[in-house]
Amino acid sequence: QVHLVESGGDVVQPGGSLRLSCVASAFSFSDYGMHWVRQAPGQGLEWVAVLSFAGTNKFYADSVKGRFTISRDNSRNTVYLQMNGLRVEDTALYYCASDLYPRSSWGVFERWGQGTLVTVSS
Amino acid sequence: EIVLTQSPGTLSLSPGERATLSCRASQSVASNYLAWYQQKGGQAPRLLIYAASSRATGIPDRFSGSGSGTDFTLTISRLEPEDSAVYYCQRYSAIPPWTFGPGTKVEI
Repeated sequence: QVHLVESGGDVVQPGGSLRLSCVASAFSFSDYGMHWVRQAPGQGLEWVAVLSFAGTNKFYADSVKGRFTISRDNSRNTVYLQMNGLRVEDTALYYCASDLYPRSSWGVFERWGQGTLVTVSS
Repeated sequence: EIVLTQSPGTLSLSPGERATLSCRASQSVASNYLAWYQQKGGQAPRLLIYAASSRATGIPDRFSGSGSGTDFTLTISRLEPEDSAVYYCQRYSAIPPWTFGPGTKVEI
């Protein structure tokens, strides 16, 4: 059974940093683009970032551009999200998700983790 | 940027009834690149439909998607109690950003 397991969420003060991790198992991780999608408490879904299967192409939502960095280690089946300059409005449950289509990033989120909670508060 | 609007906001129905959920785009969605997700309380979203009408792996055939251009529909033909959830539509493409609609809550 496919698993995506996120970790690294915590309570952090505004301006602080966190690094989220997502470990994948039971599918060919290195063949798929990987995404981070977040959900603020009681709110809808917001795509945050994507990294292509080979790690060569990355894109970000305008709301996090310049503050967040996505990376991956295919030897460890892991994708990361480095979050700097955190703001109160970044408070959310952060999900990692893999793309539906291999060797491309179309933004169809097929496999999801259970999420890790980031709270930004003073 | 294409904005997605979903209606109704909440849908209250009984088991066995048919649910019809609407997703409208502010501009035509190229090649019907429209997906639907189900999110039950406290759980991660689950992909139901992609390419407007293709069911994802393991999705029962009582879930179906239709539509083109700016108007799309998710139909649940015979509601079951476990279908209580929020349903999101989402536009996708080769180039981000990718956006979701605000969701429709289905109560059974």
